[in-house]
Amino acid sequence: EIVLTQSPGTLSLSPGERATLSCRASQSVSSSYLAWYQQKPGQAPRLLIYGASSRATGIPDRFSGSGSGTDFTLTISRLEPEDFAVYYCQQYGSSPPGLTFGGGTKVEIK
Amino acid sequence: EVQLVESGGGLVQPGGSLRLSCAASGFTFSSYEMNWVRQAPGKGLEWVSYISSSGSTIYYADSVKGRFTISRDNAKNSLYLQMNSLRAEDTAVYYCASIPTHWGQGTLVTVSS
Repeated sequence: EIVLTQSPGTLSLSPGERATLSCRASQSVSSSYLAWYQQKPGQAPRLLIYGASSRATGIPDRFSGSGSGTDFTLTISRLEPEDFAVYYCQQYGSSPPGLTFGGGTKVEIK
Repeated sequence: EVQLVESGGGLVQPGGSLRLSCAASGFTFSSYEMNWVRQAPGKGLEWVSYISSSGSTIYYADSVKGRFTISRDNAKNSLYLQMNSLRAEDTAVYYCASIPTHWGQGTLVTVSS
């Protein structure tokens, strides 16, 4: 089973700053099957990025994904007030139980 | 518009059973693999179960194997999760999802005496 480790656990930043979130896999992950989600309290996860770098429909271009192999990154170029939330990475390419999630990174207002 | 609407959650005693349902609309449900994912209060996301588009292939997380049963009715555009022998640690919001794209809003299951 592939384990995804997200860092940092919490990121304290101000609006307008750049956020860089890391997702590291215990073994190589197909880039085609690496996703990033945003989750706000009381809401379902919202798909931001799929295939490691493709933005989902309606996602602003301040969100970008990159990486390959075992190291992936979600970057928010300039934080907007609505971006403060928890972010999860997920790999979904291998057969279950390959549908694993990272532990999440909370982006909070500094 | 794609919609996934879960129902069937609630309060149940340890050892009890619940059946969750997920009604799908706005897409060709029968063509999509489906999953149940849960989130315990204040915790992260945990994949629970997978079913192929035809229903012929099914997988479970070790934490629920032997207790939960996933199924689907493509004629009714519906996904189900039969949960038996429930434990306190099964308390969570349960989401149905066509990973990665479409997620329901979730239904809360609370296992407590």
